[in-house]
Order: sequence, then C-alpha cells, then structure tokens
Amino acid sequence: GQNIDQPTEMTATEGAIVQINCTYQTSGFNGLFWYQQHAGEAPTFLSYNVLDGLEEKGRFSSFLSRSKGYSYLLLKELQMKDSASYLCAVRVGFSGGYNKLIFGAGTRLAVHP
Amino acid sequence: DTEVTQTPKHLVMGMTNKKSLKCEQHMGHRAMYWYKQKAKKPPELMFVYSYEKLSINESVPSRFSPECPNSSLLNLHLHALQPEDSALYLCASSQGAQSGRRTDTQYFGPGTRLTVL
Repeated sequence: GQNIDQPTEMTATEGAIVQINCTYQTSGFNGLFWYQQHAGEAPTFLSYNVLDGLEEKGRFSSFLSRSKGYSYLLLKELQMKDSASYLCAVRVGFSGGYNKLIFGAGTRLAVHP
Repeated sequence: DTEVTQTPKHLVMGMTNKKSLKCEQHMGHRAMYWYKQKAKKPPELMFVYSYEKLSINESVPSRFSPECPNSSLLNLHLHALQPEDSALYLCASSQGAQSGRRTDTQYFGPGTRLTVL
C-alpha cells in the first residue's frame, strides 16, 4: 500500500522558522518532492531529494532519510506569502518515459504577523 | 520557462453536457498528466501520457476520456458527469527523462475549476 503522512495544519509567526515533516511507506521509492500550493492555484515545485541529506535552496531546505522513510521541509525567515499548503510527494514509479507521484494530504501553514 | 497553460479557468456544466478541458505546454516535455483535486485533498492521478501514448489510466470512469493529439497538447473530454465530479482538474508535464540523472519534475498548470450541476 501507499501511505504518506503530514501534519494537517501548522501556524507560525512572520520571521520565524518552521519545519514540516513527512513520513512515508510506499511500494517503491525514486525520489521525494515538495510542492507549495496556494488556495485555488496550481502546485509549484519547491525541492527534490533522492539521496539522504539536506538540500538547500534560499529560504527553503529539504531533508531526506530513506532508511527512516522521513523527510522534512524547513522554511526560514517566514513571510506572510508563505501561507499555503505544502505537499509532500513520493515518486513510486519512474519508467524513463514518465513518473508516478503519490501525494500526501498536505500541510496548511498559516503565517501570522 | 516552466509554463503549462489550461483552458478554461472555470467551467460549469450540466450532467447531460459534453465539454472538453485543454492543456498545453511548449517545454518539449514528452509526458503529460491529468489530476483531479477536491477541496483540501491532495491531487489524485487520473491519466498519464508518455510520448503521446496512454501509459496509465487509474481506473477512471469512462465519462472522462483523455486525448493527446500531439506532444504539446492534452485534452480531457467530459460527458455525462456527476455532481461529485466537481473539482479542480490539474494538468502537469515532465520531461520524460531516464532516472538517475535528472529530477524529471512535474510542472503543473493553473487548473480548471469544474462545477457539475
């Protein structure tokens, strides 16, 4: 079966740091993606991990531990515009011609002044 | 440029109507995807086209009919839908590369908000 867990909601203060966790149990693993989705809009790509460790991209970092089935997205210097849903997605199939993603339910982050 | 476009942005249709959703990308991507997303839920994969051939159909009801006329275009034909089919329909595309060297990220369009009355 496929199971991806994320907290449903989180709140944080502008300027602070927040960590959004994602645990997964999937039949197959070929990388983990984080997407940001504002209400009523398309998901936008934030980060990708396929090897263990930390990937840093400006204010956003993502970490992966394949042995633990665990990832987190770290957002620093939070801004009001970071209020959105954050989707963790595991690539479970990768044929070379296409790839198959399974999404977690998403974490709704609310940033307050 | 990572733009995927979708038309229309909003669509309201009756249960007896026939309509189509359109998706276009000019990034040279060879894989295109249809997802359905209900409110406060994650996107659910419906169909995948790879090199213009249907590669995945996630047991989607036949009232949804995908079509890939060429490598840049993806359509979703709708007929005899039910109110529970009301959702945001997202199109995505990816390069379609071999694993191990490239991320092959899926890039999403803005979606079509569908309401079935």
